[in-house]
Amino acid sequence: GAVVSQHPSWVICKSGTSVKIECRSLDFQATTMFWYRQFPKQSLMLMATSNEGSKATYEQGVEKDKFLINHASLTLSTLTVTSAHPEDSSFYICSARTSGNTIYFGEGSWLTVV
Amino acid sequence: AQTVTQSQPEMSVQEAETVTLSCTYDTSENNYYLFWYKQPPSRQMILVIRQEAYKQQNATENRFSVNFQKAAKSFSLKISDSQLGDTAMYFCAFGGGSNYKLTFGKGTLLTVNP
Repeated sequence: GAVVSQHPSWVICKSGTSVKIECRSLDFQATTMFWYRQFPKQSLMLMATSNEGSKATYEQGVEKDKFLINHASLTLSTLTVTSAHPEDSSFYICSARTSGNTIYFGEGSWLTVV
Repeated sequence: AQTVTQSQPEMSVQEAETVTLSCTYDTSENNYYLFWYKQPPSRQMILVIRQEAYKQQNATENRFSVNFQKAAKSFSLKISDSQLGDTAMYFCAFGGGSNYKLTFGKGTLLTVNP
């Protein structure tokens, strides 16, 4: 299957700082990428849909000023958690849609805010 | 809005046996895709199998097959010859709409016992 790479896998940041997570489709062009958050023992919660060259579409209840999403190219989307706080600590995972409408996921990123 | 229901929070099976995980969904769309993803303890989301709604033939992928009943909006996953490495959380997902964003069920934790 197609490969989606997410970086970093683990990140620890201080409260009040910002942290950026990258999501890359390595062997295909992805016009659409998605960002999810997963709480312990729960399913994936869609945060936003990212389309190349346009503003992201955020799900209800997700603060767009806190979770900045940029999809500047067909192979890269970034999620920036701004002014992070301990309650933002979570597992974040991205996915990318192929032209055949199959969706592949990155490896995920663990964020810990201290 | 779409909904996906996985009614079995946990299941177990003996190694080499067959197990079926159930999934039902609700939608008013005609064109959509259905997926099963596996999430082992590493939290990586691994695509197991994919079904296009317009195809009547059930998808198969080695030991994994689905029973897709479009009228009943049912999409079950059968795992044959279960292996210890199949132990994971399994998520059923519906992909539809303009971006084919995924709606997930709550997951079924499958344990394969030796």
